[in-house]
Amino acid sequence: GAVVSQHPSWVICKSGTSVKIECRSLDFQATTMFWYRQFPKQSLMLMATSNEGSKATYEQGVEKDKFLINHASLTLSTLTVTSAHPEDSSFYICSAGLEATSVYNEQFFGPGTRLTVL
Amino acid sequence: GQQVMQIPQYQHVQEGEDFTTYCNSSTTLSNIQWYKQRPGGHPVFLIQLVKSGEVKKQKRLTFQFGEAKKNSSLHITATQTTDVGTYFCAAATSGTYKYIFGTGTRLKVLA
Repeated sequence: GAVVSQHPSWVICKSGTSVKIECRSLDFQATTMFWYRQFPKQSLMLMATSNEGSKATYEQGVEKDKFLINHASLTLSTLTVTSAHPEDSSFYICSAGLEATSVYNEQFFGPGTRLTVL
Repeated sequence: GQQVMQIPQYQHVQEGEDFTTYCNSSTTLSNIQWYKQRPGGHPVFLIQLVKSGEVKKQKRLTFQFGEAKKNSSLHITATQTTDVGTYFCAAATSGTYKYIFGTGTRLKVLA
């Protein structure tokens, strides 16, 4: 099956620093990737849809200047949490679909990145 | 905005008992997906339902899409300890490629 990787798997940083998380589709090209965050014992909340070669589409309430998304290639999307604060501590998960232009699109999830901001 | 609720929030069952989780959307859906997330893991795709009234089976798991395409259910027959995890539905509406995840149902199976 399609494999999606994320790096790093966990990161601890000081308040005020920026953290970059990478999401890669290893054996397929992903025109569209999705970024989610998940708080402990809660559901996945869609943050943004990342489109290769264009600006990301953010969900309501998600600050685009806070969570910078770049999708420079068909296999890589990055999420940068700028000036991170403790409330940004969460589990960030990306996903990618095989057919970006189809709504019938099984999502393959990365293993997630656990961010802890001190 | 669109809301996707799941009930129950938690379910503890004895091994061998059946389990059902229900997913309800406030809007009509184009399709729905189900995922399983083990503790400490990431969501893993189980199945996708597209047609009104559709029923699909995977071994002990039965998935159903409502006639009005606003609700869905996942039923597990004779649960096993390997079924432990959180089950999420993910709903998509027409004209969008994005999925909104349900609130999830956490299943514990007692041996």
